[in-house]
Amino acid sequence: QSVLTQPPSVSGAPGQRVTISCTGSNSNIGAPYDVHWYHQVPGTAPKVVIFGNDNRPSGVPDRFSGSKSDTSASLAITGLQADDEGDYYCQSFDRRLDSWVFGGGTKVTVL
Amino acid sequence: QVHLQESGPGLVKASETLSLTCSVSRDSFYRHAYYWGWIRQPPGKGLEWIGTMFSTEYSYYNPSLQSRVTISLDRSKNQFSLRLTSVTAADTAVYFCATVRPEVVVPHSFDYWGQGMLVTVSP
Repeated sequence: QSVLTQPPSVSGAPGQRVTISCTGSNSNIGAPYDVHWYHQVPGTAPKVVIFGNDNRPSGVPDRFSGSKSDTSASLAITGLQADDEGDYYCQSFDRRLDSWVFGGGTKVTVL
Repeated sequence: QVHLQESGPGLVKASETLSLTCSVSRDSFYRHAYYWGWIRQPPGKGLEWIGTMFSTEYSYYNPSLQSRVTISLDRSKNQFSLRLTSVTAADTAVYFCATVRPEVVVPHSFDYWGQGMLVTVSP
């Protein structure tokens, strides 16, 4: 069982908006430690799409946005495209465990 | 840009020790990164953090693996390594090495990743 909780899957039609939630606790997201989001295409390494709650690395389109409130965070993808498919993971740091922690992952499907 | 590459045996016998090395391409980057980490992913499952070594050589390990894990740095070779002892089938996974952007000085994200290496534990 993951320290950070994500829905197993979300889906949307091309062009639609989807959101992925990440729920933690007062020892991680609420501590407050930053939340980061990764996109992983099967067979490849994860790639950062949001770091520090709401920052996009260069090269990541502005269709991706992140937010954080209290003990939870969200990743939003607008204008959904076929290459947005894959698994998305949230990640933070937990001060009680002294550990980097990941969510269980959310599979995004473009219908 | 920074390139990381995992290397080591892809097959390890149960009860033996898994040893992997991560080679870092950019010498100046290696000398300035704040931390280096290992993450694994069992087939069909999610990401699991294994441990992180700071540039000060202080380390944090996943509590569930702490008794079996050691991460070390070899600055002369621009490498860092993972040792996991007494492996079982549950340790079969793709193992990734990763690091953070140089300007970060707190526990944060993993911005650069190796391509990953499948390690299978055989009976």
